[in-house]
Amino acid sequence: QVQLVESGGGSVKPGGSLRLSCAASGLTLSQYYMSWIRQAPGKGLEWVSYVSTSGGYIRYADSVKGRFTISRDNAHNSLYLQMNSLRADDTAVYYCARGRQFISGQKRAFDIWGRGTVVTVSS
Amino acid sequence: QSVLTQPPSVSGAPGQRVTISCTGSSSDIGAGYDVHWYQQLPGTAPKLLIYSDSSRPSGVPDRFSGFKSGASASLAITGLQAEDEADYYCQSYDSSLSGYVFGTGTKVTVL
Repeated sequence: QVQLVESGGGSVKPGGSLRLSCAASGLTLSQYYMSWIRQAPGKGLEWVSYVSTSGGYIRYADSVKGRFTISRDNAHNSLYLQMNSLRADDTAVYYCARGRQFISGQKRAFDIWGRGTVVTVSS
Repeated sequence: QSVLTQPPSVSGAPGQRVTISCTGSSSDIGAGYDVHWYQQLPGTAPKLLIYSDSSRPSGVPDRFSGFKSGASASLAITGLQAEDEADYYCQSYDSSLSGYVFGTGTKVTVL
């Protein structure tokens, strides 16, 4: 069964840190770009970050740049998101998602998603 | 953070056709980047519905179709069914941000 499973969410005070993990089963993450996408309560989807297959190419949304760090461990078929200096507006469900390039040269769609892990930042 | 603009809500009776628009700019859809669409049922993760403007993944009914023209795209649902009641999001890539952007989301209600 192909699935992504996120973990590591929880409640933290403003300024605190959390490390999210995404474990894959039934698929090999090393062949794909991977992203983190979040959804604040009652709000829409917001792309957070992506990492290339080797980990050598990384991009972040402006809202998390300098505070979040994405990484991957292909040997363990896993993706991570280190979140530092957390703020109240980082409160959201965080999804990991596989980026798939359906057409050569075009940008990716997110074709496999995890169920998400909840991050709550509150004093 | 740049976003793509969608209507907050659309509604239709069972069997009707509804469309959802997705308006971008010259740095995303207008730059020629593919548009993808997702369906999010209540309490669940998003699911890829349409990729590369108009293609359907295996298992997605042909009642769902996508179109793109210029800096805009649209999703059409024909033969609306109760199970289609969900939130729908478009997504593309923004060259000025070097990152992905999502639409604001549209809630589809089946009357």
